This record gives sequence, C-alpha cells and structure tokens, in this order.
Amino acid sequence: QKEVEQNSGPLSVPEGAIASLNCTYSDRGSQSFFWYRQYSGKSPELIMSIYSNGDKEDGRFTAQLNKASQYVSLLIRDSQPSDSATYLCAVISPAGNKLTFGGGTRVLVKP
Amino acid sequence: EAGVTQFPSHSVIEKGQTVTLRCDPISGHDNLYWYRRVMGKEIKFLLHFVKESKQDESGMPNNRFLAERTGGTYSTLKVQPAELEDSGVYFCASSQWTGGFTDTQYFGPGTRLTVL
Repeated sequence: QKEVEQNSGPLSVPEGAIASLNCTYSDRGSQSFFWYRQYSGKSPELIMSIYSNGDKEDGRFTAQLNKASQYVSLLIRDSQPSDSATYLCAVISPAGNKLTFGGGTRVLVKP
Repeated sequence: EAGVTQFPSHSVIEKGQTVTLRCDPISGHDNLYWYRRVMGKEIKFLLHFVKESKQDESGMPNNRFLAERTGGTYSTLKVQPAELEDSGVYFCASSQWTGGFTDTQYFGPGTRLTVL
C-alpha cells in the first residue's frame, strides 16, 4: 500500500464545473496536509494547506480533511482552463518535516 | 523576493560520469530539502538540511549521492558515479524554521537529469 494514494486521472471537467480530487494516506499520525499544483515541466506550487478536520476555503479552492477516515480532498469550483494541471497531495509525517507525495491527479478543464 | 533557484535546469551525462546539482533557497530559509521524481513515480524525499546540518537523510538512495550545504546557504547534490536509474527530476525546496509541522515548503523549478 502506498503511503499517499491518488487517482492518476485524467479527471476531465467542463469549464465552470466543480473538480473533485481525492487523496488517502496511510500514516494515521500525519498532522499536516498539502495540495500542490504542478504545470507540465514546472515546479510544484502550494495552493492549499490544511491541518484540522473540516473544510478550509481559499477562493475557488476548498480542502476537506477527515483524519478518522485518513482522507483529504480538494474541490475546485468554477473550473477554468488554466486549472488544467497535475494536483499533488502531500502529507507530513509525525517523524519529521519531509513531505510524502501521492502520484498526482491530472486535471483537464475543457472550454 | 526571489524564489528557490536550481542550476542547471537540464543535465545530460553518460553513465559513470559525475554531476553536481545546485540549489539556492529563499533567503532566510533555514530548511532545505531535496526531492526526486523518477519517470512514472511520485516525488520522493531525499534529505533535509537545517542550516548546514543534515537533519534527515533517510531518503538518499545510496552512497553515490552526496549532499552538502556549507555555510547554511546554498546546497549541492553530487551524484558520482551516475547510473541510468538516477535519471529524473531533482527538486529542491526550502522553508522557514518555525519549529512545527506546518512549515510551508517552496519548490524550485527542478533539474532534469538524464543519464545515458
């Protein structure tokens, strides 16, 4: 079992729709959770961080965390073609500061 | 404020040669990390510096990899001798030291290494 799992996609959504991305993690002691966006050939860019159960909203992005289910998700509202990218879920283990990444979900927003 | 920079952006070398990658973190960031993504796999942690000290090097694949951060500023990652399986994208990231688990890591553009 991978430490952080994501559906590789591609997740195809029409422009203006909601994109829903999911991520599960195996280390129940994980404390910090991050969503990075990565355009092809570019560096991962942090878009959301979440540390406690519940929802966290930032503009068109909402992160949801459920530690009991070891599940974190990202919603992208009013999806735009510029949101087309790979979205990486990452967690920090309780043992230190290193990020453990999932394989990423590729999102395609079609005009 | 300048972001994390990495040099070179691309490197193509022959098996058995040596390559040195450089990372300049964001000014004032004590934490510096190296990660690697090989083809088809997820990004994997290599090691973590706090200032000039190696805090965690549990992800270093073998002794062909040597990372240094003299003076606690920029860092180098040397691969000697390079093997085919070392090909991938090497990312550097940096963060401020806040003493907790919530330090945000900012990534550089990566160095794409190809070993022929």
